[in-house]
Amino acid sequence: DGGITQSPKYLFRKEGQNVTLSCEQNLNHDAMYWYRQDPGQGLRLIYYSQIVNDFQKGDIAEGYSVSREKKESFPLTVTSAQKNPTAFYLCASMRAGDNQPQHFGDGTRLSIL
Amino acid sequence: AQSVAQPEDQVNVAEGNPLTVKCTYSVSGNPYLFWYVQYPNRGLQFLLKYITGDNLVKGSYGFEAEFNKSQTSFHLKKPSALVSDSALYFCAVRPTGFQKLVFGTGTRLLVSP
Repeated sequence: DGGITQSPKYLFRKEGQNVTLSCEQNLNHDAMYWYRQDPGQGLRLIYYSQIVNDFQKGDIAEGYSVSREKKESFPLTVTSAQKNPTAFYLCASMRAGDNQPQHFGDGTRLSIL
Repeated sequence: AQSVAQPEDQVNVAEGNPLTVKCTYSVSGNPYLFWYVQYPNRGLQFLLKYITGDNLVKGSYGFEAEFNKSQTSFHLKKPSALVSDSALYFCAVRPTGFQKLVFGTGTRLLVSP
């Protein structure tokens, strides 16, 4: 079945540590996105990529980094510079075209130890 | 600036009654509008979209939405609510030519037996 796989489901970060969240899609979608979800704030865009080897900052990129070396993969690194990383992180992908919906993975919940 | 408002944090409805979840938007140009549903600890699932044409859009699980250009609204409706419809609902807008979605803050729907 086609879809988006996020791993791990739960992740714990120690102070000063970088952690990487995985996102893989087999939908052959060109565009991929990372969102952060906090209670009562909806989804906020961290980074997005419309093509391999290219990505753009979203609304809250500080303290995060990404790479897009392969079409199907878009990992997100939460760096130690992100002082409040506790949140639910969602990855999404989309086929090219304005009227296409985004498809979402089942998220990674990141907490601080 | 593009924005989406979901004025109700929570909507309560009895099973079998009709439900409405409200959404208004502010974008330049003609928007593409989307509704998503999220169950606990899961990603967002696409319900329906409005691109152009008929103002009443039908989607998954018996949901529909009414686009009103003059009121810049896109309310989600269902004629008869089910307890299993209880979830978090997000409205989103994509301005024409943009690859990013702008999300509302979400409305929690609680359907009581």
